[in-house]
Amino acid sequence: EIVMTQSPATLSVSPGERATLSCRASQSVSSNLAWYQQKPGQAPRLLIYGASTRATGIPARFSGSGSGTEFTLTISSLQSEDFAVYYCQQYNNWPPEYTFGQGTKLEIK
Amino acid sequence: QVQLVQSGAEVKKPGASVKVSCKASGYTFTSYGISWVRQAPGQGLEWMGWISAYNGNTNYAQKLQGRVTMTTDTSTSTAYMELRSLRSDDTAVYYCARDPDIVVVPAATPGMDVWGQGTTVTVSS
Repeated sequence: EIVMTQSPATLSVSPGERATLSCRASQSVSSNLAWYQQKPGQAPRLLIYGASTRATGIPARFSGSGSGTEFTLTISSLQSEDFAVYYCQQYNNWPPEYTFGQGTKLEIK
Repeated sequence: QVQLVQSGAEVKKPGASVKVSCKASGYTFTSYGISWVRQAPGQGLEWMGWISAYNGNTNYAQKLQGRVTMTTDTSTSTAYMELRSLRSDDTAVYYCARDPDIVVVPAATPGMDVWGQGTTVTVSS
């Protein structure tokens, strides 16, 4: 089983600043990596797939990078609505199988 | 609009079963799969399994093999997840999510792009 490890567990950043979240896979997942945002009491929202492609309607301040085992989600200029928990997820196209990281909580500094 | 609407909250005793429904609308149900994801209180996301709405093929998380069954009813565009032999650590919010089926759409965009609102399942004696 592929294990996804996110760091840090909590990240404190001021509005307007840049946030960088990391995700590491225990073995190569190629570019089969997605990022999700979850706010309290809400379902997750797909942000990024294919490691770097923004999902429909996702603002350009969100960007993803990496391949293999090391991935990064960058939020270029934090808005108030961006403070949430972020999960990375590796996926296997067939058969469909997924593993989530444990999450990074992005909080206001 | 594209949406998934789940059934209401459930309270079950240990050892019982629960069946959660997820009704799809606004898209061609059989062109996608459905994944089920759960989240225990204060914890992260756990993928439970996937079902093709096209042909009913499934792939379950190894941890839940033998206790979970996922089905679909194409006549009503509804997916179901049944979990048996419930334990206290099955207490969680259960989500369904639209998920590609590359058998039907080989070039489908990956990712769970539409989610249900979640169903709280509480297991308590």
